[in-house]
Amino acid sequence: NAGVMQNPRHLVRRRGQEARLRCSPMKGHSHVYWYRQLPEEGLKFMVYLQKENIIDESGMPKERFSAEFPKEGPSILRIQQVVRGDSAAYFCASSPNLDGPFGSRAFFGQGTRLTVV
Amino acid sequence: DQQVKQNSPSLSVQEGRISILNCDYTNSMFDYFLWYKKYPAEGPTFLISISSIKDKNEDGRFTVFLNKSAKHLSLHIVPSQPGDSAVYFCAVLNFGNEKLTFGTGTRLTIIP
Repeated sequence: NAGVMQNPRHLVRRRGQEARLRCSPMKGHSHVYWYRQLPEEGLKFMVYLQKENIIDESGMPKERFSAEFPKEGPSILRIQQVVRGDSAAYFCASSPNLDGPFGSRAFFGQGTRLTVV
Repeated sequence: DQQVKQNSPSLSVQEGRISILNCDYTNSMFDYFLWYKKYPAEGPTFLISISSIKDKNEDGRFTVFLNKSAKHLSLHIVPSQPGDSAVYFCAVLNFGNEKLTFGTGTRLTIIP
């Protein structure tokens, strides 16, 4: 059973370009979360999705950022018109539909390191 | 507004001794407390958790203690091994609100 797969592992974008980060959850997992880690900081929650639904996007910046988890295919975190401050590690996590808080059963991917130049 | 604090950015411990990592939180309504371990260039890996109705949970070399009156969480690793060298994050969660709130992490170095 493969773990949470994120690609690309490293992404370099020029200011103003778009960044697309992909996350394939573990098999059988229906909950996906995106977190961002800025240098020298802890991980910060961005968004929680289930298939075709955004459940909680309270951590997403109001502009330029969007996320989706379609019926088929990976979850996508999209950042439009990237700026230097978007440089960070972006982690995706997934969890199964079991009893108890879903977020406590989250398995994390290896992350995508976005560098904006 | 930092709800979860790890006040020690780094900690060095001799191999075989006990490592104690600490975490303080501000909201007494948190339901679940977790510890994650993270190696460079990898994602966090779940280590151990405890619900708010307990004060101790043990799993092999790892024990988590919860002091609700002090709003304090600690992770004990004994005996410490070189492979334990990593950054450790505490995290909190509320039932019905699935987002984890992480501390800033403590870098643990085990000295052979």
